[in-house]
Amino acid sequence: GENVEQHPSTLSVQEGDSAVIKCTYSDSASNYFPWYKQELGKRPQLIIDIRSNVGEKKDQRIAVTLNKTAKHFSLHITETQPEDSAVYFCAASIRTGGSYIPTFGRGTSLIVHP
Amino acid sequence: NAGVTQTPKFQVLKTGQSMTLQCAQDMNHEYMSWYRQDPGMGLRLIHYSVGAGITDQGEVPNGYNVSRSTTEDFPLRLLSAAPSQTSVYFCASSLSTGGPGNTIYFGEGSWLTVV
Repeated sequence: GENVEQHPSTLSVQEGDSAVIKCTYSDSASNYFPWYKQELGKRPQLIIDIRSNVGEKKDQRIAVTLNKTAKHFSLHITETQPEDSAVYFCAASIRTGGSYIPTFGRGTSLIVHP
Repeated sequence: NAGVTQTPKFQVLKTGQSMTLQCAQDMNHEYMSWYRQDPGMGLRLIHYSVGAGITDQGEVPNGYNVSRSTTEDFPLRLLSAAPSQTSVYFCASSLSTGGPGNTIYFGEGSWLTVV
């Protein structure tokens, strides 16, 4: 399987609803889990991250949770707004050769309907 | 501080032609990488470098070459373009490899069409 799996691939919600995107990773030694947002035609940009010694982190309407035992982490967006519509990527550091290389999930296209 | 700069932004190639996508960063980052982005496939790693003089293959390296003669520059060469290489290419860099706090900074992207 893939080193970082991300679900769902597409998520459609009504404005004001919550959205949750989930990722699992394969390398139990991974210790850093960022999330990137990519608006249409733009480059991906970091929106929030979490380190392996922390279970949850919040920043206004977004939060990330981490379950190291189960090797999964999730992005939570509350009170969604149309400007949250974008593709979201999770990432984890996966051991490749002699280095830990950032590895991305396949992305989730979030559509927020006004 | 320009961040990650990649050129060209748009390019049309004929099958069999070669070209180089340029990438430069001014943040003294050790780690640089190239991704291609295709619909539904996310960001797939082509090649990466953990420092000057060191390069390695990612998930989809075939048909591409890279070199890292300086910390700042990491060009991607298409040897003989094929229609399957039509994609959006992103160069990226971070201070080091994937440990805590290593934010990845992306260039603006290069839209490549091979006809």
